[in-house]
Parts: sequence; C-alpha cells; structure tokens
Amino acid sequence: EAQVTQNPRYLITVTGKKLTVTCSQNMNHEYMSWYRQDPGLGLRQIYYSMNVEVTDKGDVPEGYKVSRKEKRNFPLILESPSPNQTSLYFCASSLGTDWDEQYFGPGTRLTVT
Amino acid sequence: EDQVTQSPEALRLQEGESSSLNCSYTVSGLRGLFWYRQDPGKGPEFLFTLYSAGEEKEKERLKATLTKKESFLHITAPKPEDSATYLCAVNTGFQKLVFGTGTRLLVSP
Repeated sequence: EAQVTQNPRYLITVTGKKLTVTCSQNMNHEYMSWYRQDPGLGLRQIYYSMNVEVTDKGDVPEGYKVSRKEKRNFPLILESPSPNQTSLYFCASSLGTDWDEQYFGPGTRLTVT
Repeated sequence: EDQVTQSPEALRLQEGESSSLNCSYTVSGLRGLFWYRQDPGKGPEFLFTLYSAGEEKEKERLKATLTKKESFLHITAPKPEDSATYLCAVNTGFQKLVFGTGTRLLVSP
C-alpha cells in the first residue's frame, strides 16, 4: 500500500530537549516536505526536498532542521524545542514536479511544555 | 505577498443541497492550484490539480474550476460523508506552496 508514515504520532516534551520526527514514504517520490498546521493559520511549509541531499527552506524554517540522506526518508529535527513549536506536523511526498498530488502522512501532534 | 483566501470559513448544508466553496489567490505566479480534503485527525487527501484558467476537473459529486483570480469547488447533492475541511493550495512558481486556511463543511442528513 502506498503510504507516508510518521513517528511518533503524539509527543509531549519539555523545552530544550532535542527530538526527531521520522518520515518515510514507499512510493519512490522525489519531492518531500514538512508542514505545520495551526488553527487560523493553515498549513505552512517548514522545509522541503526535491531530491536526495537537496533541501530548502519553506516559510517557517526557524528552529527546525532536516536531512535527506535517502530518497524514502526525510526526518524533521528540533534541536532545542520551544513552546511555540507546539503544533500538528505533517510530512508529505509527491512524484510530480510542482507539488502535484501530494500524499500526506497521518500527522504528529507535538506539545512542548 | 502571496495570499490564498478561502471562503466561507464554515458551511453547513442539508443533504442534497448543492453549494460552492471559493479559493481566491493573489500570487506572483501560478504553477498549479490544488484542492485537498482533510478529515478530523488525518492528513490532507489530494482531490484535484488545476493549471490554467478555464480548466475543470470532476470527481463524483465534486467539480473544481479555475479562473485567473480564483477557484471554485462545487459540491452537487452532497452527502453526510462529504463533511470535511476542504483546503486550497497554490504553487507560486518559486518552489513555494501556499495553503489557504480551509472551509469546514458539515452536511446534515
């Protein structure tokens, strides 16, 4: 089954404790992206990757890091989380260029206290 | 600044009552407009891509249309299972994707 998986699905952590949210896709997609979704603000792009070893900033990259060492994986790293990073995070992938037909993961709900 | 605005924020329909959702955009360049459906607690699910003014796409009770300034998602004779949040997104042409805040649709039996 074609899918994007994220782990963990729920995470409660404390300020400053480094964490990683994993994302993996089994569709051999070139494009991958991370979003955060906040009430009233919609989905905002954090980082994206157009291929292995190629990553770029989206609209809200501050406080986040990513890496793309393999085509299928695109982890999101928060090196020193802060309460304003409490949000719902989605990973997505797409085969086509121009972000056509993205497949989204189930989401990771992160709370930073 | 690139902007995508969806209206209304929320819409309540009776089963069978057709209506339209609007997505208006002000962007520097359009390289695709996308519609997604999002159910509570889940990730968005792709519905349609539109690339040029005049283009239309259909899927079951949904039909998406595009003009130079906006897109409409028409819902014909909706059913309760069409209840969801509908998201619009625009590729602005600089590898940048801008989402609207969505329209929450509730269809009552």
